[in-house]
Amino acid sequence: SAVISQKPSRDICQRGTSLTIQCQVDSQVTMMFWYRQQPGQSLTLIATANQGSEATYESGFVIDKFPISRPNLTFSTLTVSNMSPEDSSIYLCSVVLSETTNTEAFFGQGTRLTVV
Amino acid sequence: SQQGEEDPQALSIQEGENATMNCSYKTSINNLQWYRQNSGRGLVHLILIRSNEREKHSGRLRVTLDTSKKSSSLLITASRAADTASYFCATDERGSTLGRLYFGRGTQLTVWP
Repeated sequence: SAVISQKPSRDICQRGTSLTIQCQVDSQVTMMFWYRQQPGQSLTLIATANQGSEATYESGFVIDKFPISRPNLTFSTLTVSNMSPEDSSIYLCSVVLSETTNTEAFFGQGTRLTVV
Repeated sequence: SQQGEEDPQALSIQEGENATMNCSYKTSINNLQWYRQNSGRGLVHLILIRSNEREKHSGRLRVTLDTSKKSSSLLITASRAADTASYFCATDERGSTLGRLYFGRGTQLTVWP
């Protein structure tokens, strides 16, 4: 299994500001993913963060709003830029340990963001 | 790609009863996974069932998969108050990025003492 540390666990931010969320994994992983969970909703993938290349964003998410860094195989950051109340969500990072199919994904504890 | 759909959206039962949650999806999959989320925190992996498997057990959990109907069920037997949580199914779609999951809307389970 993997131990994923996500920081901060929660934050309350003013609109127009930015917040950077960190995700640290206790082992080297190729694939890391960032999800958003809006209040009462399911998880939606924001982007896939691969080490050594640009993140791949899902439809509806853009790099200017959600820049991602992946400097090495154990760490990634997601920034939520120019925040508005609509960005209030739980943000979760996820990893898979194996590069084969049928492998489970592990999740961090999430960052609960409230924008006021 | 299409997210799964769970039903019921909410389930309320007494301790000791069994809880059954269902999930449907629309595409071909490599596997289907069930996760639990307590109070809007991180997701805990419960069980993974491969597309060529029909049933799998883990402790008090029993998962079935019917690829012809594109559906899965999660049964929690002899439920406990500590089982109170949201439960999500997630599909690993064939041809999709390795590790990328598509989540259903979840079932909120409440188990009363």
